[in-house]
Amino acid sequence: EVQLVESGGGLVKPGGSLRLSCTASGFTVSAAWMSWVRQAPGKGLEWVGRIKSTSDAGTTSYAAPVKGRFTISRDVSVNKLFLQMNSLKTEDTAVYYCTTDELVYSGGYAYFAPLYFWGQGTTVTVSS
Amino acid sequence: QSVLTQAPSVSVAPGQKVTIACSGGSSNIGNNDVCWYQQLPGTAPKLLIYDNNKRPSRIPDRFSGSKSGTSATLGITGLQTGDEADYYCATWDSSLSVYVFGTGTKVTVL
Repeated sequence: EVQLVESGGGLVKPGGSLRLSCTASGFTVSAAWMSWVRQAPGKGLEWVGRIKSTSDAGTTSYAAPVKGRFTISRDVSVNKLFLQMNSLKTEDTAVYYCTTDELVYSGGYAYFAPLYFWGQGTTVTVSS
Repeated sequence: QSVLTQAPSVSVAPGQKVTIACSGGSSNIGNNDVCWYQQLPGTAPKLLIYDNNKRPSRIPDRFSGSKSGTSATLGITGLQTGDEADYYCATWDSSLSVYVFGTGTKVTVL
């Protein structure tokens, strides 16, 4: 059974840094496409960024508001995904979710299902 | 400001059907597959529909999806109070090179 558990959220001052962790079970993080999605208080969902599987070169992509400040990485030895957040701004305040894509097999075909599994989220508050 | 537009809210009587529209453009819905996510109050989102019209095995067939041109639609039949949630469409945007979510639609079952 796939499980994702986020941790590392908290209160940080503007300009500060924070590293979020996502502990995965039921699959190997290096074999999956994984993303971070955030949700500001009372707002909608916002994709933060993604890391592809090792077999797909492990390429990372980021949303414009976080590009150059956030970095997604993984550690296979502990089966974790990370989100390093630097130069934090008040507008980065949100619940951050760890997600993973899934290949679904049906009728002899494989279908790509983005953001198939979600963690419960961890809260990041950026405030002075 | 999202590139995918949804109605902010809709109210439906129990047992009735609701359709939720998602409008985009050629760089997103027009050329990429659409997913739909359900977010119940206070919980993490859950994938309802992928590849425009396919359901994970855990999702009941009361939920359906379709796509035409640069728009997509989520349908829910036999509305229950347990379906009260926010619903988001999403897809890859080839021009922006990001995964984009719709603005979200809050479904209320009266």
